[in-house]
Amino acid sequence: KNEVEQSPQNLTAQEGEFITINCSYSVGISALHWLQQHPGGGIVSLFMLSSGKKKHGRLIATINIQEKHSSLHITASHPRDSAVYICAVDFQGAQKLVFGQGTRLTINP
Amino acid sequence: DSGVTQTPKHLITATGQRVTLRCSPRSGDLSVYWYQQSLDQGLQFLIQYYNGEERAKGNILERFSAQQFPDLHSELNLSSLELGDSALYFCASSEGRASGTLETQYFGPGTRLLVL
Repeated sequence: KNEVEQSPQNLTAQEGEFITINCSYSVGISALHWLQQHPGGGIVSLFMLSSGKKKHGRLIATINIQEKHSSLHITASHPRDSAVYICAVDFQGAQKLVFGQGTRLTINP
Repeated sequence: DSGVTQTPKHLITATGQRVTLRCSPRSGDLSVYWYQQSLDQGLQFLIQYYNGEERAKGNILERFSAQQFPDLHSELNLSSLELGDSALYFCASSEGRASGTLETQYFGPGTRLLVL
């Protein structure tokens, strides 16, 4: 069964801390996406990865194809980073995204 | 603002009814995707259209149908509504130059459907 698992489900941290959210998947993929869902419900695409590492501002996404694992890192976290972060994958070119259950991140000032 | 618009923002209706959700993609985007987000099942892919043609299908119920029109806007029709259809319905769009899952998708604000 094609599955996407995220950990942790919930994460609370203090402003300034380094944050890591993990995503593991069961079989080979052609693409992995990281999404951010704001408290109001809106969804923003953060990264699309098929290999390696990408960086945008304080956000870094990495993927290890052999280990079937991706991480999303946030450096110098800020309360405005509080959101649900969702990992989504395309299993072997199925051309449809399968979503993880999301990680709820809360950054306290 | 992603450039993707969805109407209506909120919809309250009764079981057995039919509703139509509308999505306008970003200017120039040829692909449109529909997703359902419910409390118990999270985000699920429903269907993708590319330039008017169905390209990929997910867990879309037979009571649901969609289409993409020549002006590239899309509509998702939900019929014989059940309580369990209450959810957030998102539309997203992408350029369409590559496989949809290999492109950044831009999400609309969603339509919140409540079936009573």
